[in-house]
Amino acid sequence: DAKTTQPPSMDCAEGRAANLPCNHSTISGNEYVYWYRQIHSQGPQYIIHGLKNNETNEMASLIITEDRKSSTLILPHATLRDTAVYYCIVRVPLGGANSKLTFGKGITLSVRP
Amino acid sequence: DAGITQSPRHKVTETGTPVTLRCHQTENHRYMYWYRQDPGHGLRLIHYSYGVKDTDKGEVSDGYSVSRSKTEDFLLTLESATSSQTSVYFCAISEGRYSGNTIYFGEGSWLTVV
Repeated sequence: DAKTTQPPSMDCAEGRAANLPCNHSTISGNEYVYWYRQIHSQGPQYIIHGLKNNETNEMASLIITEDRKSSTLILPHATLRDTAVYYCIVRVPLGGANSKLTFGKGITLSVRP
Repeated sequence: DAGITQSPRHKVTETGTPVTLRCHQTENHRYMYWYRQDPGHGLRLIHYSYGVKDTDKGEVSDGYSVSRSKTEDFLLTLESATSSQTSVYFCAISEGRYSGNTIYFGEGSWLTVV
């Protein structure tokens, strides 16, 4: 499985952009990068995913480097409700050996007023 | 919201008793999953289903069984609950099994085995 590494925590000011980095140097060519977030006591919430092109939706933007070994999730205007644990994962297809959607420890984003 | 409902949301049970958790989806997705989340272990796949009556094991399947008699429902059963099965359980769904198929999670079922 392609593993991901994220810093343990970061903070940003409300209204500013939050840029959350992720390294996934062993990613395979057909594996997508996904970002989820989890607010305490809730289920993981899907944010965005991408293969090799940059992606944007109503929640965030995803920037993937050309070599695909790292990516950055951008929350353009962070609010206090964006305070959560953010997980960067590589989605391994089901089949063959036990499938995993491996969530590491994630990065705790704290948005300050 | 992903159209996933889990029940019960919270349950306390005694060691040795059977427990069934239910996952109901309104998205008509083919794949359904049960995960557990524990401190230090992240999310781990217990079982998954790829169609009615089609299921397979995940990485932590011992002590658990599943059934899927309808597309929309996926049941997780602990035949004889143990304290090590105290956890929060998440149901998830996806249209397909490939990397590009997004997995959506439910809100979780908190199970305490005393």
